[in-house]
Amino acid sequence: DTGVSQNPRHKITKRGQNVTFRCDPISEHNRLYWYRQTLGQGPEFLTYFQNEAQLEKSRLLSDRFSAERPKGSFSTLEIQRTEQGDSAMYLCASSRGFDSNQPQHFGDGTRLSIL
Amino acid sequence: AQSVTQPDIHITVSEGASLELRCNYSYGATPYLFWYVQSPGQGLQLLLKYFSGDTLVQGIKGFEAEFKRSQSSFNLRKPSVHWSDAAEYFCAVGVGTGGFKTIFGAGTRLFVKA
Repeated sequence: DTGVSQNPRHKITKRGQNVTFRCDPISEHNRLYWYRQTLGQGPEFLTYFQNEAQLEKSRLLSDRFSAERPKGSFSTLEIQRTEQGDSAMYLCASSRGFDSNQPQHFGDGTRLSIL
Repeated sequence: AQSVTQPDIHITVSEGASLELRCNYSYGATPYLFWYVQSPGQGLQLLLKYFSGDTLVQGIKGFEAEFKRSQSSFNLRKPSVHWSDAAEYFCAVGVGTGGFKTIFGAGTRLFVKA
């Protein structure tokens, strides 16, 4: 169990640029989640995959955001035309099984700063 | 609407003293409840969870929490705090089918003084 891995750990970019984050879940975890966390707040749910299927998307996930999980393994979260308000920590988590009796394991996050 | 309220933004306790962090939730069905801890610049670590059964649950690092349905509360406790417990603590509720969607409170930052 090597844990959930997120890359990069930090990303600084100019407003209007596109960015992509990667999440490698714990192997054999079939559920994968993305959250956004701003300073002084708890994580906010963005989206959730079961294997390769994206089953739920939050209203927070505007058209500029897209997430994929090809082949049900790693996942990417892309933000197009970044805005100042996108500055946040983006957290990925994974869990095993088909019910919430299995805990979510979180990565250390990708911190995005928009200049 | 589902929500989690942590009334205390920050709490300071002396090392060795007892700790209680408050959490209230709003959810119409039987909740899945969690407490997570987050150290600066890191992800969240699960301390404990409640799904059903005994309303007093034990977690890691000597933490426990008690589910009180009548009060919609799930308070976290520890009898003796260590300096290494200083961190941000998040209460969360799992909603949706199977509780897959987790809603977090805003967190309580714990400071420990010597």
